Amino acid sequence: DAGVIQSPRHEVTEMGQEVTLRCKPISGHNSLFWYRQTMMRGLELLIYFNNNVPIDDSGMPEDRFSAKMPNASFSTLKIQPSEPRDSAVYFCASSLWGDTYEQYFGPGTRLTVT
Amino acid sequence: AQTVTQSQPEMSVQEAETVTLSCTYDTSESNYYLFWYKQPPSRQMILVIRQEAYKQQNATENRFSVNFQKAAKSFSLKISDSQLGDTAMYFCAHRGEYGNKLVFGAGTILRVKS
Repeated sequence: DAGVIQSPRHEVTEMGQEVTLRCKPISGHNSLFWYRQTMMRGLELLIYFNNNVPIDDSGMPEDRFSAKMPNASFSTLKIQPSEPRDSAVYFCASSLWGDTYEQYFGPGTRLTVT
Repeated sequence: AQTVTQSQPEMSVQEAETVTLSCTYDTSESNYYLFWYKQPPSRQMILVIRQEAYKQQNATENRFSVNFQKAAKSFSLKISDSQLGDTAMYFCAHRGEYGNKLVFGAGTILRVKS
């Protein structure tokens, strides 16, 4: 079975540009999570969806960040405009709601904003 | 709010020896779930082991086992017969009974030496 798929794996962009990160969860999973990993703050949950509906977006740092899940097999995390402090590894994870709660992580997207 | 503390930023162990990584957490819930994730240099997050708080028996997965002390809110990971491939960052994580949110500790870098 294919795991969680993220694209791109690496993204380098200039400050002020729009960045879109993409995620395809494991087929059949109904919960999807976006995390950010930095040296300073570690692993932080940004937002998670259940059945395509955002449940908790309290970790989204500011209005420059937005996330969507238009269907069960696709989600995006958008940063507009990007800033150097957004440089981090962004992980997407998926799981079954109501199961043993194991989250399966994608390989991550390393974002560098110059 | 739940918090997870890993007090050992770095540890090292000789190949074939045993090492224990510490984790403490804070929660007001009586039932919850605890996890150890491994992140090797490839940065892929890999679930190592999980423990349900209502289970008294400590979880074991091959060379990996936990010492779960509910009253002390402690959840340590023991790696027996350490292998070079165990070199990674290890994260302890907590998930409440309700909701799907994982809260991670800051991580412990483990280096296995030959």
